[in-house]
Amino acid sequence: ETGVTQSPTHLIKTRGQQVTLRCSSQSGHNTVSWYQQALGQGPQFIFQYYREEENGRGNFPPRFSGLQFPNYSSELNVNALELDDSALYLCASSWGTGELFFGEGSRLTVL
Amino acid sequence: GQQLNQSPQSMFIQEGEDVSMNCTSSSIFNTWLWYKQDPGEGPVLLIALYKAGELTSNGRLTAQFGITRKDSFLNISASIPSDVGIYFCAGDGEGAQKLVFGQGTRLTINP
Repeated sequence: ETGVTQSPTHLIKTRGQQVTLRCSSQSGHNTVSWYQQALGQGPQFIFQYYREEENGRGNFPPRFSGLQFPNYSSELNVNALELDDSALYLCASSWGTGELFFGEGSRLTVL
Repeated sequence: GQQLNQSPQSMFIQEGEDVSMNCTSSSIFNTWLWYKQDPGEGPVLLIALYKAGELTSNGRLTAQFGITRKDSFLNISASIPSDVGIYFCAGDGEGAQKLVFGQGTRLTINP
């Protein structure tokens, strides 16, 4: 148990829809990172939030957006879903640049 | 962008055998990390390496940060059934944990 909780654990959407994934960071952690893990692949960095501001972004289009709240929890929003967005979305929290602790992920299936 | 090449992709071994896997990159990384991911879980950090040439152990696990800063290996000695899972290397070249992951090594152990 890392103390990082994600919801929902599984969800199914159709192409063109929008999805919001949520993450509660471990107590005391002020930084949240999001990763996308396609089946059989390693995780890919989407973006990171530190003190409610985006602090770095990977090679993902603008329809991937996020938020961090004052309690350091975070949301990942994906608009105009595509089939290739089907993946496990992992949230990781940390204190500054310390060790990342990953949640169990939200598995998104786009039909 | 930065990429990590991890090998082998999969390993099938007998319980008690030693295991070795490695990761190479065309880019320099400042930090090398090794994670293990079990089914339905997020990655869990096994070993972190911060200095070229560094050799670090964690129980039966030993990892090294290559002196060129472009490679790392992980060894597991005397494998046991709970070592089954997918092992990922990850590099942090830009700082602030924007990790680049390898594609993983799936370890299967025959009792």
